[in-house]
Amino acid sequence: NAGVTQTPKFRVLKTGQSMTLLCAQDMNHEYMYWYRQDPGMGLRLIHYSVGEGTTAKGEVPDGYNVSRLKKQNFLLGLESAAPSQTSVYFCASSKTDNEQFFGPGTRLTVL
Amino acid sequence: GENVEQHPSTLSVQEGDSAVIKCTYSDSASNYFPWYKQELGKRPQLIIDIRSNVGEKKDQRIAVTLNKTAKHFSLHITETQPEDSAVYFCAASMKDTGRRALTFGSGTRLQVQP
Repeated sequence: NAGVTQTPKFRVLKTGQSMTLLCAQDMNHEYMYWYRQDPGMGLRLIHYSVGEGTTAKGEVPDGYNVSRLKKQNFLLGLESAAPSQTSVYFCASSKTDNEQFFGPGTRLTVL
Repeated sequence: GENVEQHPSTLSVQEGDSAVIKCTYSDSASNYFPWYKQELGKRPQLIIDIRSNVGEKKDQRIAVTLNKTAKHFSLHITETQPEDSAVYFCAASMKDTGRRALTFGSGTRLQVQP
């Protein structure tokens, strides 16, 4: 039982490049979330999903897109990376309104 | 939307002392309040949570209190140990249709001095 996993762990991009972050969970959770964590600002919600095939915007969605084609996977895409997107990205999953389980994070640097 | 404020941003205590971290929230409809601990370079992990139908909850050295009228909740750690050193985040669940996304406070860096 791996819990929540994220790929990759680290990535460096140049401005304008694109990439996809993958989140996978093996706990059969309905809800999945993408957060970004910046120094002194806690975690902020980017997008979330309440089930397979559904996505919705969170607090800071601009510049990101998501997809939830399979229940166990939640993908976060950056179409044209900007330095302001340098951050640590955490994925989380939960069963409805219970505890959210976080992945190990992806450290992204955009030059 | 929900806004969660957390104080203090840093807290230094001597081993064995108590530590208290306070949070306020803005949305009176919020009804789930978890606390997460994040060690350096690690993922946030839930240490305790409380729902709005309860005023206090304890788990060994950790307790959380909730004042719904004043819209604030607090984390209390007693008999602190060096391994309690970490960043602690409070959060509130936005009571929005169909989701339970969390709004986080900005974090408290707790340092326990041996």
